[in-house]
Amino acid sequence: DQQVKQNSPSLSVQEGRISILNCDYTNSMFDYFLWYKKYPAEGPTFLISISSIKDKNEDGRFTVFLNKSAKHLSLHIVPSQPGDSAVYFCAVEGVTGNTGKLIFGQGTTLQVKP
Amino acid sequence: GAGVSQSPSNKVTEKGKDVELRCDPISGHTALYWYRQSLGQGLEFLIYFQGNSAPDKSGLPSDRFSAERTGGSVSTLTIQRTQQEDSAVYLCASSLERTGKFFFGQGTRLTVV
Repeated sequence: DQQVKQNSPSLSVQEGRISILNCDYTNSMFDYFLWYKKYPAEGPTFLISISSIKDKNEDGRFTVFLNKSAKHLSLHIVPSQPGDSAVYFCAVEGVTGNTGKLIFGQGTTLQVKP
Repeated sequence: GAGVSQSPSNKVTEKGKDVELRCDPISGHTALYWYRQSLGQGLEFLIYFQGNSAPDKSGLPSDRFSAERTGGSVSTLTIQRTQQEDSAVYLCASSLERTGKFFFGQGTRLTVV
């Protein structure tokens, strides 16, 4: 029972172009939606988040869009840079209990080619 | 310390042995989480600590897995009688506030041979 799905295991983009990473979720009660970035041999690092009351949040080259009716989250990176090459995980904050735990997708490996 | 610290970075153990993985969270972070990432998989939740108590252990895969946290700080994840399917990267994260912003350690890569 996957509550968070990233259907594209990998994505390859040319430097300077836009990268669009997608994520679908099943539960309309989630409060927070986040993106994490992970380099090899390192732990994931927080990238950007959005609360359920918004539909867009922007931070420099990174923008997260939330489409609640479609239960869809996306991350746009523009312009993409080679240093953006990493695994990107979307995550949602669980609604059961009050733990604040995150439920992660399977990840999408982004390769930005120079 | 400045960040979340995990030790060891790598651990190779023989099937059937017990292992202990350690996590030192960011000072003052009351929430602590353990996750694991198996090869080609996403991050799988294991257990959540608030202070020294573990209100959510729902992700522990079997009774061979246990964890404790002492002094509201360091946590230890113990796997008894390790199996090959336990091989994974075990990640610890701490958090101060409920906005989902976790700070992860670099992980412990466990290989059971």
